Amino acid sequence: AQTVTQSQPEMSVQEAETVTLSCTYDTSENNYYLFWYKQPPSRQMILVIRQEAYKQQNATENRFSVNFQKAAKSFSLKISDSQLGDTAMYFCAFLRYNQGGKLIFGQGTELSVKP
Amino acid sequence: DAGVIQSPRHEVTEMGQEVTLRCKPISGHDYLFWYRQTMMRGLELLIYFNNNVPIDDSGMPEDRFSAKMPNASFSTLKIQPSEPRDSAVYFCASSLAGAGYEQYFGPGTRLTVT
Repeated sequence: AQTVTQSQPEMSVQEAETVTLSCTYDTSENNYYLFWYKQPPSRQMILVIRQEAYKQQNATENRFSVNFQKAAKSFSLKISDSQLGDTAMYFCAFLRYNQGGKLIFGQGTELSVKP
Repeated sequence: DAGVIQSPRHEVTEMGQEVTLRCKPISGHDYLFWYRQTMMRGLELLIYFNNNVPIDDSGMPEDRFSAKMPNASFSTLKIQPSEPRDSAVYFCASSLAGAGYEQYFGPGTRLTVT
């Protein structure tokens, strides 16, 4: 069974600085998807970034980028130039390829961006 | 697009009452998911549908929970009878096969059972 682990329950960063959130996962699959979701205090779940396991290039979306290490089963999220609006709970999630179904979520990391 | 729509946004009910949560997925999406989020258990997948057919309901906690998807644009999650431990935020999400399977979430329904 797949598992996703986020070992940092809480993190904080100063506005305009860079922060990296960690995520590791366990799977025997070779093809899969990985996601980072953001849940601000409004509780809306927002997709931040997506990575396909067969792609070696790390995904980027504006200030958000990932460091995908397939052999190490690691999928960290880097937020550059942190903004107050980045304050949220961040969830890492795993999806088996072509399954279309069960997203396996990590426990979440609560990020606080301080002015 | 309006995104995934859920109603009601908040529901307060007494133990023993029936509760019905509603969801309208993004038009054209062929997968629909129901999740529950609590502080203790985090995000749990309750059930998901593909083309209106339930595929995996192994996350449904008890027979008190039931979900239906009568058509591609509507789904319900029903709890009967409700209990205080059902208090949680319930999310509906939808996705499209072949488009990366990204799941788009609704705003959630905060359920409080007293």
